[in-house]
Amino acid sequence: DTEVTQTPKHLVMGMTNKKSLKCEQHMGHRAMYWYKQKAKKPPELMFVYSYEKLSINESVPSRFSPECPNSSLLNLHLHALQPEDSALYLCASSQDTGAYGYTFGSGTRLTVV
Amino acid sequence: DQQVKQNSPSLSVQEGRISILNCDYTNSMFDYFLWYKKYPAEGPTFLISISSIKDKNEDGRFTVFLNKSAKHLSLHIVPSQPGDSAVYFCAARILYGGSQGNLIFGKGTKLSVKP
Repeated sequence: DTEVTQTPKHLVMGMTNKKSLKCEQHMGHRAMYWYKQKAKKPPELMFVYSYEKLSINESVPSRFSPECPNSSLLNLHLHALQPEDSALYLCASSQDTGAYGYTFGSGTRLTVV
Repeated sequence: DQQVKQNSPSLSVQEGRISILNCDYTNSMFDYFLWYKKYPAEGPTFLISISSIKDKNEDGRFTVFLNKSAKHLSLHIVPSQPGDSAVYFCAARILYGGSQGNLIFGKGTKLSVKP
């Protein structure tokens, strides 16, 4: 298995909802990442997990809460989002340092109404 | 301030010709540079990378050149094929604490290869 699987592919949520984005990989990668990509912009790093520990939080608002239950799974819990949070959320994984590339999932297209 | 810049938002090339995508960077601490390809509604797909201590890396039709003194890299695709039409992102890696990397992405260049 050489893929990163993200679910759901599309999500529409209200500003008072609580939802979760899920990411799964079975490549034995020990680093996993959440990126946010707005239209016509490059992906921007949100969180990095290394060996299931949160190692980088790029000053992301607390309405985004990451979780890494085990080495294969990465979740992003969403609560009280704003319409400007609407974006493509990409999960990625890599061998320890990612010098030979990250493997990205197809993303979750999130719309906050 | 953008640390990784792709100044050409789009590029159109005839099938069979060479495509050259350019990227400039500002941070001397980047240790690896990577190129990703992205189709609509898909995540970026890794293409090729180059270490900052090298000046060229080749993989099939794809070659990346690095000019460290100019802080410039380029991706050459030869020959270009219609299936290469996609958005190409340049990315640079920076290490935190020597063990954890983060990728900084450019804004992308949309390549169109015409039959």
